Amino acid sequence: DAKTTQPPSMDCAEGRAANLPCNHSTISGNEYVYWYRQIHSQGPQYIIHGLKNNETNEMASLIITEDRKSSTLILPHATLRDTAVYYCIVRVADDMRFGAGTRLTVKP
Amino acid sequence: DAGVIQSPRHEVTEMGQEVTLRCKPISGHNSLFWYRQTMMRGLELLIYFNNNVPIDDSGMPEDRFSAKMPNASFSTLKIQPSEPRDSAVYFCASSLVTGTYGYTFGSGTRLTVV
Repeated sequence: DAKTTQPPSMDCAEGRAANLPCNHSTISGNEYVYWYRQIHSQGPQYIIHGLKNNETNEMASLIITEDRKSSTLILPHATLRDTAVYYCIVRVADDMRFGAGTRLTVKP
Repeated sequence: DAGVIQSPRHEVTEMGQEVTLRCKPISGHNSLFWYRQTMMRGLELLIYFNNNVPIDDSGMPEDRFSAKMPNASFSTLKIQPSEPRDSAVYFCASSLVTGTYGYTFGSGTRLTVV
């Protein structure tokens, strides 16, 4: 039961900001939004999560709309090493269930 | 911190054989998760443990699959007998506490059943 909708693929120029959207229109009040990425053949890597406020860490920024029905992950200066599949997940319980994600390709 | 350690990294076995995958979570983490990844089905949650106790095994595909966590520092996923359709990458992940913390994943075990 997919709770999130992401575009299957996106391209971004190296050095530019990558903005990855995610729709989660059925999110409930106590569900967090998580972002992970998976670089080819590696295990998924946690990026960031948030509930309602915007969040920023050393990897990325997370912008959540006021109604919480969508969010955007921002990689401020994409590099070739940021090429990966990015997963947006909403959860409140212990289990993290992954959808198909967005395949981001950063191009020189 | 060595991260989540999985072994073996690669496993090739013949159909019908027993396969055991191993996982050592990060010390202090009390939740452990087993996932399977294939091209067709993506990342699937198989089972997870809290404080060594299995909480949800609804993702385990068949009775041929079993998982144990005898202590806080070790878990196994066993397939007996193995079949070619079990070929996949199996990931183990752990987290500090249940709730809002992110997971740390291992590097995975690539299983090929011939």
